[in-house]
Amino acid sequence: QVQLQESGPGLVKPSQTLSLTCTVSGGSIFSGDFYWSWIRQPPGKGLEWIGYIYYSGATYQNPSLRSRLTISVDRSKNQFSLKSNSVTVADTAVYYCARYNEINHVFDVWGQGTVVTVSS
Amino acid sequence: QTVVTQEPSFSVSPGGTVTLTCGLSSGSVSTSYYASWYQQTPGQPPRTLIYSTNTRSSGVPDRFSGSILGSKAALTITGAQADDESDYYCVLYMGGGIWVFGGGTKVTVL
Repeated sequence: QVQLQESGPGLVKPSQTLSLTCTVSGGSIFSGDFYWSWIRQPPGKGLEWIGYIYYSGATYQNPSLRSRLTISVDRSKNQFSLKSNSVTVADTAVYYCARYNEINHVFDVWGQGTVVTVSS
Repeated sequence: QTVVTQEPSFSVSPGGTVTLTCGLSSGSVSTSYYASWYQQTPGQPPRTLIYSTNTRSSGVPDRFSGSILGSKAALTITGAQADDESDYYCVLYMGGGIWVFGGGTKVTVL
C-alpha cells in the first residue's frame, strides 16, 4: 500500500522560498505508470493542481504558477520536492502531494496535507 | 485558461438522489477528458470516488456513479446518506500534461 507524507516548514515569510518534500513509502517512485504531483488548497477554497514530476525527472507545472516553481525528484530517498520562490500571502494553503495513475487517469493516492502559512 | 465549472452547492434529502455536474467554460466534456471525482470532508485529504468518467474506485459504495450528461461529466448520488455530506471536486485532463480542478460543490443532506 503506497503512502505519501508531506513535510516542510509551516511558516514562510513573504518574498522567501517555500520548500516541501513528499516521501513515498510502500512503493517505488521509479514506476513509469505514475506522475508525482503537487496540489494545493487555500483556506476555504477549492483544489488547484500545481504540477508534477515523472520518475525520469520530466516536469510540468500549472502555467499560472510555472515561473516560480521547481519540482525535483530524489530517487535515492524515494522523495520528490516542491520549491516556490517569491511567495505571497496568496500562497497560504494546505499543500498535498498525490500520485497520478496514468493507467486509470486518476489521482489515486493522496498525502494527508501540510499547512503552509505565508506571513511576516 | 479554460475554467472547469461546478455548482457551488446542492441540498438533498436523506434517501434522495442528486446529480452534480462538471463542465467547461468553453466546449463539451467527453470521455477524452478522463473526468474523476473526489469527496472531501473538513480537515481531510480528498478521497477518490470515480475515475475515467464512470469507474468507481475500490471500496466506493455503488450509490455513487459517474457519467456524461449532455456536455458535462456528472456524479450521481442515489439514496443519499448523512455521511455523504461533503465537498465534491471534479478534475479534467486538458491534454499537454495539464489537469484542472473544478471549484467544488458543497452537498448538504437534510
